[in-house]
Amino acid sequence: DTGVSQDPRHKITKRGQNVTFRCDPISEHNRLYWYRQTLGQGPEFLTYFQNEAQLEKSRLLSDRFSAERPKGSFSTLEIQRTEQGDSAMYLCASSLGGGDLGNQPQHFGDGTRLSIL
Amino acid sequence: QKEVEQDPGPLSVPEGAIVSLNCTYSNSAFQYFMWYRQYSRKGPELLMYTYSSGNKEDGRFTAQVDKSSKYISLFIRDSQPSDSATYLCAMSPAGNNRKLIWGLGTSLAVNP
Repeated sequence: DTGVSQDPRHKITKRGQNVTFRCDPISEHNRLYWYRQTLGQGPEFLTYFQNEAQLEKSRLLSDRFSAERPKGSFSTLEIQRTEQGDSAMYLCASSLGGGDLGNQPQHFGDGTRLSIL
Repeated sequence: QKEVEQDPGPLSVPEGAIVSLNCTYSNSAFQYFMWYRQYSRKGPELLMYTYSSGNKEDGRFTAQVDKSSKYISLFIRDSQPSDSATYLCAMSPAGNNRKLIWGLGTSLAVNP
């Protein structure tokens, strides 16, 4: 169990550019989540996958944001045409869940810190 | 009113003190309760995970859930400087732990 891995750890970009982040979940986990966190706040839910299916998206997730989990393993989160307000920590979490697995806790990576110049 | 209320602190205690951290909530459907610890520039780390009411102990940490009062607590015994971090409570209803509802986090400093 190597934990949830996120890359890059820090991304600095100019306003208007596109950025993509990667998340590698704990290998046996079928559920994967993306959150955004700003200073002094708890994580804010963005979207959730069970295996390769994206089952839920927050209303806060504008059409500039897209997430994929093509093979049910790693996931990518892309932000197009970045804006100043996108500056935040983007966190990925994974868990087991569904069916006989019931509800299992989420385990987080160390996040990607996005800074928009 | 937020669904989950947590005093952001900061809380400062001497080494060896017993620390009490708390959250209140308004949604009676919440059944799963978690405490996470977050160091600066790191992701949240799961400390305690409890279902429904009662106590759970793990080493120096004890989690309590009082559903009748809609109140959860985390106690840290014999606090250490390495416990200095932000502590976040999170919770979710039964049947849907996919979207956690979070407190703001309490900043704790344990002074040697």
